Amino acid sequence: GAVVSQHPSWVICKSGTSVKIECRSLDFQATTMFWYRQFPKQSLMLMATSNEGSKATYEQGVEKDKFLINHASLTLSTLTVTSAHPEDSSFYICSARDPGGARTDTQYFGPGTRLTVL
Amino acid sequence: AQSVAQPEDQVNVAEGNPLTVKCTYSVSGNPYLFWYVQYPNRGLQFLLKYITGDNLVKGSYGFEAEFNKSQTSFHLKKPSALVSDSALYFCAVRDILGSSNTGKLIFGQGTTLQVKP
Repeated sequence: GAVVSQHPSWVICKSGTSVKIECRSLDFQATTMFWYRQFPKQSLMLMATSNEGSKATYEQGVEKDKFLINHASLTLSTLTVTSAHPEDSSFYICSARDPGGARTDTQYFGPGTRLTVL
Repeated sequence: AQSVAQPEDQVNVAEGNPLTVKCTYSVSGNPYLFWYVQYPNRGLQFLLKYITGDNLVKGSYGFEAEFNKSQTSFHLKKPSALVSDSALYFCAVRDILGSSNTGKLIFGQGTTLQVKP
């Protein structure tokens, strides 16, 4: 149980194009999902909190127009990197919070998406 | 301010020996504490958590952690390390000051565990 998937696992794109990353909770409903960015050998940097049916809450310094987040259902959140540039190359990880039962307050993480912008 | 500290960038231990990965925290009120493990190019895997109850928490893969309120610590331990335990370990505390109460986590900087045969 508590499985979170991400797609794609890796993507290479040209500078200026947009890339969409999907995050799905497979066996539970997640009212809240989180998007992180991780640089090599560093900790996770929270980019935004995604709430089902409402606008995402972005952390300070994260451009909301560049990193578009949509949480259309209780099992799916998407992150779109618009007009990607080489500096956006990174490892993006999502997590989903299971709100109920014994797994309350626990975030479960997806396997991550490696984005490389040429 | 709420924070989590992992004072060691790397911990080296021989296979079969006990291991400890240290974590200290600073929060207002009662902490919700978590340990996660990350293997190369993968997401984080949940190991264990402390919310309330017994100070000794047992988790996945034989790991356990002890909540020590007086020392504000939540060290991760395992009695006998395996080479396959080599990975990056993160301690985290739930952000309880946020007005939206979304369960946001504050992560430590991570500790690389290297278990040598």
